[in-house]
Amino acid sequence: GAVVSQHPSWVICKSGTSVKIECRSLDFQATTMFWYRQFPKQSLMLMATSNEGSKATYEQGVEKDKFLINHASLTLSTLTVTSAHPEDSSFYICSAPTSGQGGETQYFGPGTRLLVL
Amino acid sequence: GENVEQHPSTLSVQEGDSAVIKCTYSDSASNYFPWYKQELGKRPQLIIDIRSNVGEKKDQRIAVTLNKTAKHFSLHITETQPEDSAVYFCAASGSNNAGNMLTFGGGTRLMVKP
Repeated sequence: GAVVSQHPSWVICKSGTSVKIECRSLDFQATTMFWYRQFPKQSLMLMATSNEGSKATYEQGVEKDKFLINHASLTLSTLTVTSAHPEDSSFYICSAPTSGQGGETQYFGPGTRLLVL
Repeated sequence: GENVEQHPSTLSVQEGDSAVIKCTYSDSASNYFPWYKQELGKRPQLIIDIRSNVGEKKDQRIAVTLNKTAKHFSLHITETQPEDSAVYFCAASGSNNAGNMLTFGGGTRLMVKP
């Protein structure tokens, strides 16, 4: 399958810190990427759709000023958790459709585990 | 928007037995239904998928069936092995401004006892 990488794999930070997570498609281009959040023993919840060259589309209830998304190239999307608080601690996972343009088959990055103290 | 329900939330089977996980969806326009397996602390891995023009698909010990009329689809794992133990998620493809997005079911924790 297609390869999606994510960095860092885990972060521990103090409350109030901003954390940037990178998602890269390694062997294909993706004009669309998706960002999910997964709390322990729960399902994946879509946070936002990242669109190359334009604004991200956020799901209801997700604060766009807190979760900044930048999709600056066809292979890179970044999610910045601004002024992180303990309740933001979660597993953040990105995915990219192999068609590159919001097609159907999605492959996931390895995820970033965020712990805010 | 799309809503996907998944049952059961936990499933325990004896090694060698079959396991069945069922999902229902609400959006009749959905046309793509993947299944993911997620081991603890790891990324979801696509194990099988089915599109709406197909009623059944099989890949070795794994099969998926789709009933579009009833809006439900199921995952069947035969001859289960301990390494099948994981959380399984079904999903349905809806659409948004950027193209197709996936809505996930709540997950099923499968435990295969040796």
